[in-house]
Amino acid sequence: DGGITQSPKYLFRKEGQNVTLSCEQNLNHDAMYWYRQDPGQGLRLIYYSQIVNDFQKGDIAEGYSVSREKKESFPLTVTSAQKNPTAFYLCASRTERPYTEAFFGQGTRLTVV
Amino acid sequence: AQRVTQPEKLLSVFKGAPVELKCNYSYSGSPELFWYVQYSRQRLQLLLRHISRESIKGFTADLNKGETSFHLKKPFAQEEDSAMYYCAPYASNTGKLIFGQGTTLQVKP
Repeated sequence: DGGITQSPKYLFRKEGQNVTLSCEQNLNHDAMYWYRQDPGQGLRLIYYSQIVNDFQKGDIAEGYSVSREKKESFPLTVTSAQKNPTAFYLCASRTERPYTEAFFGQGTRLTVV
Repeated sequence: AQRVTQPEKLLSVFKGAPVELKCNYSYSGSPELFWYVQYSRQRLQLLLRHISRESIKGFTADLNKGETSFHLKKPFAQEEDSAMYYCAPYASNTGKLIFGQGTTLQVKP
């Protein structure tokens, strides 16, 4: 079953702790993205990666970190430096064949208490 | 800076009425433009892309480079069109894909 998988679906963490969100894809896509979705603000780009071992900051990268050691995986770490980490996080991968299209995971809802 | 604006947070229409969801963008170069849709309890998915000039589920979108707009239109809205719609410009030279704030379309019976 091909697709993009985010885990866990719900995540609770105490303030001050780092937490890592998982994103795995078996679509053989080179590019992957992380977005944050907040009510009324749409999707905001956190980080993206076009190829293994390379990634770029998006529009709201502060307080987040990523790695891209494998094509299939693009984990996102929400650090204690992120001032307002409670949000819904979406991961996507992108293909360009035959056309450019992004495929999304089901998301992870992170709540920091 | 690359920006995309969807001015309406909520658009409410009656079944059978025409619909237009607005999207304006500010991008260097020539981005590819897309509309994505998120139905209730489903994943965000591609609705249509400007490069294909296609009509999906009765929706069309025309790229107006002069006005830098990519509005989504449908002549007769259906109840199953109720969803959140996102306009998304993609810059192929950087790989950056951003999304607008989203517009919730509510089609009333």
